[in-house]
Formats: sequence, structure tokens, C-alpha cells
Amino acid sequence: SQQGEEDPQALSIQEGENATMNCSYKTSINNLQWYRQNSGRGLVHLILIRSNEREKHSGRLRVTLDTSKKSSSLLITASRAADTASYFCATDEAAGNKLTFGGGTRVLVKP
Amino acid sequence: NAGVTQTPKFRVLKTGQSMTLLCAQDMNHEYMYWYRQDPGMGLRLIHYSVGEGTTAKGEVPDGYNVSRLKKQNFLLGLESAAPSQTSVYFCASSWRTSAYNEQFFGPGTRLTVL
Repeated sequence: SQQGEEDPQALSIQEGENATMNCSYKTSINNLQWYRQNSGRGLVHLILIRSNEREKHSGRLRVTLDTSKKSSSLLITASRAADTASYFCATDEAAGNKLTFGGGTRVLVKP
Repeated sequence: NAGVTQTPKFRVLKTGQSMTLLCAQDMNHEYMYWYRQDPGMGLRLIHYSVGEGTTAKGEVPDGYNVSRLKKQNFLLGLESAAPSQTSVYFCASSWRTSAYNEQFFGPGTRLTVL
């Protein structure tokens, strides 16, 4: 079973717009991570937010974490065509060093 | 540094055949993982290893075996391939600490079982 569930499953926006996707999970976590996957490629780590953090920034990425609601959001500002990819959240449960991935959000940025 | 590499990139098997997928990493990571990704879905953990000589089952281990004889290599074996094992297989590795345990992924192996 998947710990993280992303919403929406797919997102289509114009270049320059912001893209927001959400991740919900079920159990206590040590940290939550976001990854990007370009078509036909492996996953690339974007950002990690620990359970005691509420917000984190990295370039055009902003991640929030609400442990009381067991949810996280990823915001990509001023999107570019190169941001077209699938985005996955992954939770590191407190018990061990394994990640559980959600089903992903497919983002299409139209030029 | 090459990071995480996987061999082969593509493979077609007939039902019942066997094969081994090789994963190698040059980052001196303790932890290594094998995932499968089916169309339109996220990754599911097959097996993982927390160090040389150790392996453990993940979410979907049936039909697969693994070995970690050297720290830098993690092998995934299919003893008798089935069409349900048609998938893209990803290997990943990470540091031991839980505070900075981002995973580094290989490019994947696309396996088709006829």
C-alpha cells in the first residue's frame, strides 16, 4: 500500500504560472521528500523537509508540511516548459530508512 | 563520479527465463534499494539492503531475490520470469543517516516478459 497520495493526479498550466500539488500520508514520519521524474528517466531528489519543519524553500520550489493534517504541498513558482515531469512525494517513516512513494502528479507546462 | 548505474537498460525475456539486474554505485552509500514502477504509478519497494552482506524484503518481494556481496553492488534476480514482472526497475542508494537520506536513482531497466 502507498503511504503518500498526491493530488491532483495531473496538472496542465501555462509557462509562467505557479503549480501546486499536495501529498497526504497516513503514519508518523521522520521526513518527507519530493522527487521529480522526467519521462523515461530515473527520479531526482528535489527537497527534503523534516518532521519538525513547517516550510522550506529551494530556488523556485516551496514545500510546506503540516504534521497535524499529515499533508504536504509542493509549489513551483514561475513554471517553465522544462518543469514538465512527474512529481512524487515520499515519506520516511520513523521506523526505518525506507521511503514509501506516492502515485505522483503529472505536470505539463505549456509554452 | 558515475553515481548509480544499472545494467542492462532494456531486456526482453520469455516466461520462465531467468536474469540478473546489476546496480552499482560509487558514492560509498550504505543503503541500496530495488524498486519497480508500473505505468502511471509510483515506485514500489522490492528489496533493500542496509549494508554489505545484508538484505531485507520490501513491499513486493515475491518472485525476486537479491544479493549484496560488495558494498557498491546490489543484484536483483528473477529466477522464473512471469508477465506480471513486466515493469521498469530502478535501483537507488542513500547515506545511512536518517536526517539526510535522500535517495540517488539509476536510470532504470525496462523489462518485458512475454
